[in-house]
Amino acid sequence: KQEVTQIPAALSVPEGENLVLNCSFTDSAIYNLQWFRQDPGKGLTSLLLIQSSQREQTSGRLNASLDKSSGRSTLYIAASQPGDSATYLCAPFGNTPLVFGKGTRLSVIA
Amino acid sequence: DTEVTQTPKHLVMGMTNKKSLKCEQHMGHRAMYWYKQKAKKPPELMFVYSYEKLSINESVPSRFSPECPNSSLLNLHLHALQPEDSALYLCASSQDAGTGGLKLFFGSGTQLSVL
Repeated sequence: KQEVTQIPAALSVPEGENLVLNCSFTDSAIYNLQWFRQDPGKGLTSLLLIQSSQREQTSGRLNASLDKSSGRSTLYIAASQPGDSATYLCAPFGNTPLVFGKGTRLSVIA
Repeated sequence: DTEVTQTPKHLVMGMTNKKSLKCEQHMGHRAMYWYKQKAKKPPELMFVYSYEKLSINESVPSRFSPECPNSSLLNLHLHALQPEDSALYLCASSQDAGTGGLKLFFGSGTQLSVL
């Protein structure tokens, strides 16, 4: 059974900092991994999807990397802004539908 | 149109009520999902429909009854719920539920309170 761990559980940073969110998973037989953002009481917004054959994906200030063999992914956020404050969830997709980590709750202070 | 639309956004119901949650997408996706999310917890999978057939049921109590009338619509019928069923119910869709590197699109959810 896939187990997903996200570190740190919570993070508070001043505006403008670059930061890294970590995700690890136990079953490396995955097809892809998605990073999502969730605002309180809202649905999930897909940020990046990395295929198992890829090493990284970029969208604007976001960069996600995937090391499938070691069961790790990182989400890098450059020049953080208060609007980035949200919970970030990673979800590897394998032989069972998406299993989510517990998320990293990010607060960016102006 | 890259939206998954869920209605209602909020629902308060008593333990003896019957209600339904609705989900709709017009992206031509053939897989649709129901997730349940308690406060400060990650979403947990309840049901997966693939090509309008229930393919995964993660041992959800029978007081939750899913229905997929066509490839664009997904309903979740609720009956005799318990207060601990209060949660955010999220619908999602993807191109299909198979192997091929599929992006999941989520609705904004229905916040359910059971009194």
